[in-house]
Amino acid sequence: DAGVTQSPTHLIKTRGQQVTLRCSPKSGHDTVSWYQQALGQGPQFIFQYYEEEERQRGNFPDRFSGHQFPNYSSELNVNALLLGDSALYLCASSRGPSGANVLTFGAGSRLTVL
Amino acid sequence: KQEVTQIPAALSVPEGENLVLNCSFTDSAIYNLQWFRQDPGKGLTSLLLIQSSQREQTSGRLNASLDKSSGRSTLYIAASQPGDSATYLCASWFSGGYNKLIFGAGTRLAVHP
Repeated sequence: DAGVTQSPTHLIKTRGQQVTLRCSPKSGHDTVSWYQQALGQGPQFIFQYYEEEERQRGNFPDRFSGHQFPNYSSELNVNALLLGDSALYLCASSRGPSGANVLTFGAGSRLTVL
Repeated sequence: KQEVTQIPAALSVPEGENLVLNCSFTDSAIYNLQWFRQDPGKGLTSLLLIQSSQREQTSGRLNASLDKSSGRSTLYIAASQPGDSATYLCASWFSGGYNKLIFGAGTRLAVHP
């Protein structure tokens, strides 16, 4: 049973470019959340998708956007990249959006912005 | 503001020692609390989930406790091994924000032979 799958694992972009990260949730999970983890810090919540809608959003600018597809997979898009966007981007899935449900995290996508 | 704080930031111990990692949170309206392990450059592995109605959870050599009144959780690791070396993250859902986890910055643990 595959867990949460993220792609790509590593990527390098330059300032001003746009990036798309992809996430496939664990089998049986229908909710996807995205987190940003800067070096040496804990992950910070970006947003969560459930039933193809953004359910809650953290303190991130509109440059960060997402989408959830009917098969529950999700994309995170970041426009006009800044140096400060360099981080590990983690996707987590769960069965339902409630905090009562354990999150399963993927291995992450490491983004470097030059 | 809902915050999660972890101390110490880093810990180095000899193999075999029992150790305690601390996590504190600012809002007693906590929903659930979860402990994770993160190996360098990797994703997060869930260790233990404590629901708000519970006081502790155990898995093997790990025991996590939750005291909502004092705003604290501890992760106890018995008989530490070099393979336990990793960063340990505490995270909580707070009432009213069910959909997001708030993380501490983590405790970086090194267990040396």
